[in-house]
Amino acid sequence: GDSVTQMEGPVTLSEEAFLTINCTYTATGYPSLFWYVQYPGEGLQLLLKATKADDKGSNKGFEATYRKETTSFHLEKGSVQVSDSAVYFCALFTGGGNKLTFGTGTQLKVEL
Amino acid sequence: GAVVSQHPSRVICKSGTSVKIECRSLDFQATTMFWYRQFPKQSLMLMATSNEGSKATYEQGVEKDKFLINHASLTLSTLTVTSAHPEDSSFYICSARGGTMETQYFGPGTRLLVL
Repeated sequence: GDSVTQMEGPVTLSEEAFLTINCTYTATGYPSLFWYVQYPGEGLQLLLKATKADDKGSNKGFEATYRKETTSFHLEKGSVQVSDSAVYFCALFTGGGNKLTFGTGTQLKVEL
Repeated sequence: GAVVSQHPSRVICKSGTSVKIECRSLDFQATTMFWYRQFPKQSLMLMATSNEGSKATYEQGVEKDKFLINHASLTLSTLTVTSAHPEDSSFYICSARGGTMETQYFGPGTRLLVL
């Protein structure tokens, strides 16, 4: 079945550091890939998405590229801020499953 | 992006009572809605999927008689936790998707505390 594997957290960084959160997936067919962010006490917000191989999703300085050859969708940001502290979820969607499959989430803590 | 609201954001109830949580899509028609449960510091667990006008499809291990889901219109779904017990205390999040949309949009969540 479909699955998403994320790096375990928490990830602790200093402000302005470079961020990478790894995400790899297993899926039948051609999934669409997503990154969602959850701030403390809130629901999930769509951060970015990519629907086909080599697409790059980007938003608020975050980027992720759909790599079919490595089945990966790693999240990156060049310079994190304290306000980026949250839990980040990688997810995939295939039409056959008709639902999102989530990774376990990676908590990011950014300190001054 | 599309907006999904939930109400209430927080509810405290006594054991044995029932609690209803509403989920609304504010600017699109949600042909499919999803209900998730999230335990502290964990990922989301899908409870059920509902299509407008149809009975909900529950995930394995989720009691359909305890978690009643109604999706009577294209903008509203409700989750009723019947005869709630302390172990039902959790963060419940709804999500919605429109007919031609691939992206799911999430509500802000409802924190339920059963005393």
